[in-house]
Amino acid sequence: AQRVTQPEKLLSVFKGAPVELKCNYSYSGSPELFWYVQYSRQRLQLLLRHISRESIKGFTADLNKGETSFHLKKPFAQEEDSAMYYCALSGHTGGFKTIFGAGTRLFVKA
Amino acid sequence: EAQVTQNPRYLITVTGKKLTVTCSQNMNHEYMSWYRQDPGLGLRQIYYSMNVEVTDKGDVPEGYKVSRKEKRNFPLILESPSPNQTSLYFCASSLRGGQPQHFGDGTRLSIL
Repeated sequence: AQRVTQPEKLLSVFKGAPVELKCNYSYSGSPELFWYVQYSRQRLQLLLRHISRESIKGFTADLNKGETSFHLKKPFAQEEDSAMYYCALSGHTGGFKTIFGAGTRLFVKA
Repeated sequence: EAQVTQNPRYLITVTGKKLTVTCSQNMNHEYMSWYRQDPGLGLRQIYYSMNVEVTDKGDVPEGYKVSRKEKRNFPLILESPSPNQTSLYFCASSLRGGQPQHFGDGTRLSIL
């Protein structure tokens, strides 16, 4: 079955500390993987997709097919990173359904 | 401005009274989708559409209907709403399936 697991509901770190938001997935085939972010009172927006391999707002995410993970990382957290983060997948298997994880709320303390 | 527009933004209604939430995108996207967001559950896909006249069930389609008669519009219909459909609903679109999605601002539905 297709599934996305974000094991942490809440992650609290101090400003300047490294942050890692975990995402594990279950999928038969090669999925498209995404990280979306939802800042307070704003719409969801794309943060990263796995095929772009770029860094957005200092965040990176590496697809590890062996561990079926797509963890989101940032070396130095900023207060403005406080938001809700969702990992999601889509792909041919299942006809391009989109599966979201339950989300992780990141709180960056001053 | 490229955007996904949902209406209404807020709605309080009663059990059994049919309602429609509209969704429109101006980006000529083929793929459109509806999600509901509930605390602790993240976003769950209700229905999606790969193109005009092509719709498929997501993970939680029960109690909902959709149609895709035009490329830009993808309304969500609750024929007989019930309290367990009280939720925050998001419409989204993307160029094609498997591509990054653009989201609307959300519609908060309360069914009493």
